[in-house]
Amino acid sequence: EAQVTQNPRYLITVTGKKLTVTCSQNMNHEYMSWYRQDPGLGLRQIYYSMNVEVTDKGDVPEGYKVSRKEKRNFPLILESPSPNQTSLYFCASSLSTPGGGKNIQYFGAGTRLSVL
Amino acid sequence: LAKTTQPISMDSYEGQEVNITCSHNNIATNDYITWYQQFPSQGPRFIIQGYKTKVTNEVASLFIPADRKSSTLSLPRVSLSDTAVYYCLVGDGTGGFKTIFGAGTRLFVKA
Repeated sequence: EAQVTQNPRYLITVTGKKLTVTCSQNMNHEYMSWYRQDPGLGLRQIYYSMNVEVTDKGDVPEGYKVSRKEKRNFPLILESPSPNQTSLYFCASSLSTPGGGKNIQYFGAGTRLSVL
Repeated sequence: LAKTTQPISMDSYEGQEVNITCSHNNIATNDYITWYQQFPSQGPRFIIQGYKTKVTNEVASLFIPADRKSSTLSLPRVSLSDTAVYYCLVGDGTGGFKTIFGAGTRLFVKA
């Protein structure tokens, strides 16, 4: 089954304790992306990756890191989490770059993060 | 950057047709218009996509006027399970790699 898998689904942590949220897709997609969703703000893009070893910032990259060493995996790293990073996070992938919105994105089930 | 504007919320009753309009005045020539549906605490999922005129699939229709500055998602005969947030999405205006979601339209279907 084609899917985007995120782990963990729920995470509670404390300020400053490094964490990684994993994302994996089994569709051989080139493009992967991370979003955060906060009440009233919709989905905002954090980072995206056009292919292996190629990443770039989205609209809200501060406090986050990503890596793309393999095509299927795109982990999101919070080196020193802060309470303002408490949010619902989604990973997504698409066959190729959004290319003007043509390529449909497939989303994971989400990771709900609370930073105390 | 290309930006979309949608109504914040809409109410409807079961069995009615619902039309949600999205404004995208700065859409680029090569941009497509894509609509996603999101249920609470789930990831968005694709509904329909179009470039111009009208597109129809098994769940919705998408109407795009000639100037492409807006689009209308039409949901025929909605049911309670169509209660969700609907997002209109276009490219970032440069044909590039960013994705910009608007705030979405929260549709509430009542019995």
